[in-house]
Amino acid sequence: DAGVIQSPRHEVTEMGQEVTLRCKPISGHDYLFWYRQTMMRGLELLIYFNNNVPIDDSGMPEDRFSAKMPNASFSTLKIQPSEPRDSAVYFCASTKDGSTDTQYFGPGTRLTVL
Amino acid sequence: GIQVEQSPPDLILQEGANSTLRCNFSDSVNNLQWFHQNPWGQLINLFYIPSGTKQNGRLSATTVATERYSLLYISSSQTTDSGVYFCAVEPGGKLIFGQGTELSVKP
Repeated sequence: DAGVIQSPRHEVTEMGQEVTLRCKPISGHDYLFWYRQTMMRGLELLIYFNNNVPIDDSGMPEDRFSAKMPNASFSTLKIQPSEPRDSAVYFCASTKDGSTDTQYFGPGTRLTVL
Repeated sequence: GIQVEQSPPDLILQEGANSTLRCNFSDSVNNLQWFHQNPWGQLINLFYIPSGTKQNGRLSATTVATERYSLLYISSSQTTDSGVYFCAVEPGGKLIFGQGTELSVKP
């Protein structure tokens, strides 16, 4: 299996621009998680989906952030408008049986907002 | 919410040395996982270990759920073991990560 795939790997943008991060989970995994990693806050869960349905979005920092999962093999995390404090590494992870199962992480997207 | 504390925060070892990393958590959990984040940022799952002991090569982990802690043992450390080790617990629905132990193994 190819593992969890994320794109782009690096994104540099200017404040106020829209940013879209993409994730393809491992085939057959029914759960998809979006995380953000910063030096100050560590690794924190933003949102997760089960069978393409958002289950818990309590970690989404504010309305500028939105996530979708239109089908079992694709998810997006969008930030609009972006701000410098959104600079972080964003990880996508997937599992077959939820958070009581081994999570497999993608390589991450390093976002820099100038 | 649940608190996850890892110790030590930093550790420097000479190649070949052994080490023990600790994870304490403040409430009952359904799941506990250990991850290694390598210097390139990739997060790799090491163990899914809500209780008991598991071994994988030079690494082993033990979770004592009733006492709310888990230990990760690294034996005969190698430079490729360098990176940050995270403990993550699942009290209900989602993983909560500790702040990590940064390990540096010197040749």
